[in-house]
Amino acid sequence: EAGVTQFPSHSVIEKGQTVTLRCDPISGHDNLYWYRRVMGKEIKFLLHFVKESKQDESGMPNNRFLAERTGGTYSTLKVQPAELEDSGVYFCASSQPFGAGSHTDTQYFGPGTRLTVL
Amino acid sequence: AQKVTQAQTEISVVEKEDVTLDCVYETRDTTYYLFWYKQPPSGELVFLIRRNSFDEQNEISGRYSWNFQKSTSSFNFTITASQVVDSAVYFCALKQGYSTLTFGKGTMLLVSP
Repeated sequence: EAGVTQFPSHSVIEKGQTVTLRCDPISGHDNLYWYRRVMGKEIKFLLHFVKESKQDESGMPNNRFLAERTGGTYSTLKVQPAELEDSGVYFCASSQPFGAGSHTDTQYFGPGTRLTVL
Repeated sequence: AQKVTQAQTEISVVEKEDVTLDCVYETRDTTYYLFWYKQPPSGELVFLIRRNSFDEQNEISGRYSWNFQKSTSSFNFTITASQVVDSAVYFCALKQGYSTLTFGKGTMLLVSP
């Protein structure tokens, strides 16, 4: 079974440009998460989709970030316009649907997209 | 609020040495889950283990073992007879209920031949 995949693996852009990151979750996983790790810091939560709906977007830093998950399959994260502080590694993770009364999901992560804003 | 502290930023050992990675967490919930992930040089985060707050039994998987102690809010990870392939960044994480993962800053483990 294929794991979580992310594209591109690296992206180098200039400040003010737009970048779109893509995540393909494990097949059948309703839950999709975006996280970000800025150099030397913790991996921080950005948002959580359940199928195509945004369950929690409390971690999105500002309105320059837009996440979508049309059709409940893959997701995109767009940064427009990119700023220097957006540089970091963006991770996507997915997990199985929550069972009845259960939230013991294990999140499986992709390899991340390393974004560098110059 | 929940928090995970991995006080060791980097650890260097020589192959075959045992090494313990520390993880201390803070949470007000009585039900929570703890995780360890490994990030090898290739970049992906590899799931290693999940424990719930009601199961304090230590776990062993091959050369890996985990020591969960609620009394000290710790979930430490020991690698026995370390190998070069164990070189990676290791992250400890905490999850409460339906919330998302809270990660520590990670510990970089360097195992030299």
